[in-house]
Amino acid sequence: NAGVTQTPKFQVLKTGQSMTLQCAQDMNHNSMYWYRQDPGMGLRLIYYSASEGTTDKGEVPNGYNVSRLNKREFSLRLESAAPSQTSVYFCASSVAGTGGQPQHFGDGTRLSIL
Amino acid sequence: GENVEQHPSTLSVQEGDSAVIKCTYSDSASNYFPWYKQELGKRPQLIIDIRSNVGEKKDQRIAVTLNKTAKHFSLHITETQPEDSAVYFCAAASGYSSASKIIFGSGTRLSIRP
Repeated sequence: NAGVTQTPKFQVLKTGQSMTLQCAQDMNHNSMYWYRQDPGMGLRLIYYSASEGTTDKGEVPNGYNVSRLNKREFSLRLESAAPSQTSVYFCASSVAGTGGQPQHFGDGTRLSIL
Repeated sequence: GENVEQHPSTLSVQEGDSAVIKCTYSDSASNYFPWYKQELGKRPQLIIDIRSNVGEKKDQRIAVTLNKTAKHFSLHITETQPEDSAVYFCAAASGYSSASKIIFGSGTRLSIRP
């Protein structure tokens, strides 16, 4: 049981390049999330998907797009990468339901934009 | 929207002593308060959580207390051990969204001195 799997683990891009970060979960969770983690700033929500077919903006959505491909997969796309997007990106998933639910995180993607 | 503040940002305690991390939240509708532990270079992992209908919850050496009136909650770690060294994040989930959108605090770096 792999849980939440993210690919790639590391990536270096040049400013202006595009890239898609992949995330898949095998826990049959309905909800999925993308966060970025910058030093000293904790985890900030970029986008989330309450269920298959829906996506919503989080705290810091500018410069990103997402696709909920199916129940298992939720991808994050940077159309034109900028140095300010250098960060560690975490995908997470949770069961759906009223109130909060524990989130299960992947191992992260370390992204550097030169 | 929800805002979560976490203090202190760094904490150093002697092995065997107790550690306390405090968080405040702004949205009175928040009803779920998880704590995550993140070791260096690893994913955040849930260590304990509490819901708004409970004032305190314990799991071995870890406890969380919640004061809904004052809108603050705390993590208590007793008999600290070297493996407790990590960054700890508090979080709060607002309302009854089926997406379980969680806002994180900025983290506390806990160091255990031998």
